[in-house]
Amino acid sequence: SSELTQDPAVSVALGQTVRITCQGDSLRSYYASWYQQKPGQAPVLVIYGKNNRPSGIPDRFSGSSSGNTASLTITGAQAEDEADYYCNSRDSSGNHRVVFGGGTKLTVL
Amino acid sequence: QLQLQESGPGLVKPSETLSLTCTVSGGSISSSSYYWGWIRQPPGKGLEWIGSIYYSGSTYYNPSLKSRVTISVDTSKNQFSLKLSSVTAADTAVYYCARHNVNSNYGNWFDPWGQGTLVTVSS
Repeated sequence: SSELTQDPAVSVALGQTVRITCQGDSLRSYYASWYQQKPGQAPVLVIYGKNNRPSGIPDRFSGSSSGNTASLTITGAQAEDEADYYCNSRDSSGNHRVVFGGGTKLTVL
Repeated sequence: QLQLQESGPGLVKPSETLSLTCTVSGGSISSSSYYWGWIRQPPGKGLEWIGSIYYSGSTYYNPSLKSRVTISVDTSKNQFSLKLSSVTAADTAVYYCARHNVNSNYGNWFDPWGQGTLVTVSS
């Protein structure tokens, strides 16, 4: 299967920890990558591979994976983390298809 | 620092062909380590991968769009292009280009992205 499922919306109190999840069969074979998108802006990569952050991404962002579920954790959420978050993976059937999750709107209260 | 910039018409008529170009600066599109991809986002909706190309010209496409999509590369200009034929209003979206990392062990990721360009399909 090539579907990736995300919760449509998640909220977190300022300074608290939040986990955003992504489920799909392909995640048993490949790690997810995660993107942050703020209104009117292009997506920005925040996590890739096992748990890698591109240069400039704060270390409060981390990634993990278990079975068919990948998670993006923000430890000590800040107001500027309010955004849409998308996961992405390769299809595991060998056809090179790439899929994105439907996105999660994160609200920081 | 690698940068990508989309260009092309912002308005396309129904049934016509949408054509966009992505210009890569600050690095070579001929790098053997990367693919180059197109992703779109309809207004208020999520991201949809369209397809990706290697500098050699090898391509792979989203099966749902494959019959209408052509992605090509021009290494002399450090550009790659998207053509989407027989467009309808459903193809109205912000179109992004991005460098596409494909790793046999880790999966794939897109970084960096262009700023995106809105293409509206309307008569």
